[in-house]
Amino acid sequence: GDSVTQMEGPVTLSEEAFLTINCTYTATGYPSLFWYVQYPGEGLQLLLKATKADDKGSNKGFEATYRKETTSFHLEKGSVQVSDSAVYFCALGIIQGAQKLVFGQGTRLTINP
Amino acid sequence: DTAVSQTPKYLVTQMGNDKSIKCEQNLGHDTMYWYKQDSKKFLKIMFSYNNKELIINETVPNRFSPKSPDKAHLNLHINSLELGDSAVYFCASSDRGLTEKLFFGSGTQLSVL
Repeated sequence: GDSVTQMEGPVTLSEEAFLTINCTYTATGYPSLFWYVQYPGEGLQLLLKATKADDKGSNKGFEATYRKETTSFHLEKGSVQVSDSAVYFCALGIIQGAQKLVFGQGTRLTINP
Repeated sequence: DTAVSQTPKYLVTQMGNDKSIKCEQNLGHDTMYWYKQDSKKFLKIMFSYNNKELIINETVPNRFSPKSPDKAHLNLHINSLELGDSAVYFCASSDRGLTEKLFFGSGTQLSVL
């Protein structure tokens, strides 16, 4: 079945460090891919998305490229800030009557000043 | 104003009890969802309603019964609570169910003792 595996956390970095959170997926069709972020005490929010192979999603300095050949959608940011501390979820989306998201287990990121 | 609000935020109850979690969205969306986040942080879809009609029903015990009185509300009723029901439950909504962007509530942490 469809599934998402992402890098286990927690991940702790210093401010201005380079960030990579790995995400790979298994899907029978051609899903859309997403990164959602959950800040403390809040619900999940869409961070970025890519709908087809080689698409790059970007937002708030974060980027991820849809790699069909490696079935990956790794999240990167060149210089993280304390405000980026959150839990990050990779997800694939399939249409099954409605938009059904299959999530990874989440990666907790902590940025120290 | 909170876009997707769910209550209560925390719910502690005894095994065997019946409880409800309420969800409301003020975004005018047609589709609403319930997701469950287990102890390993995996988020899995449980149900989806579009205009009060059930369209996604994953393999969930029939002790769980969603109810949608109107398209702005999707409540989750759980009968005969079991220890394994302890989790964080997230409500979400999207426009027409075919957009990639889901808006999530901040979650209800259910603890069954």
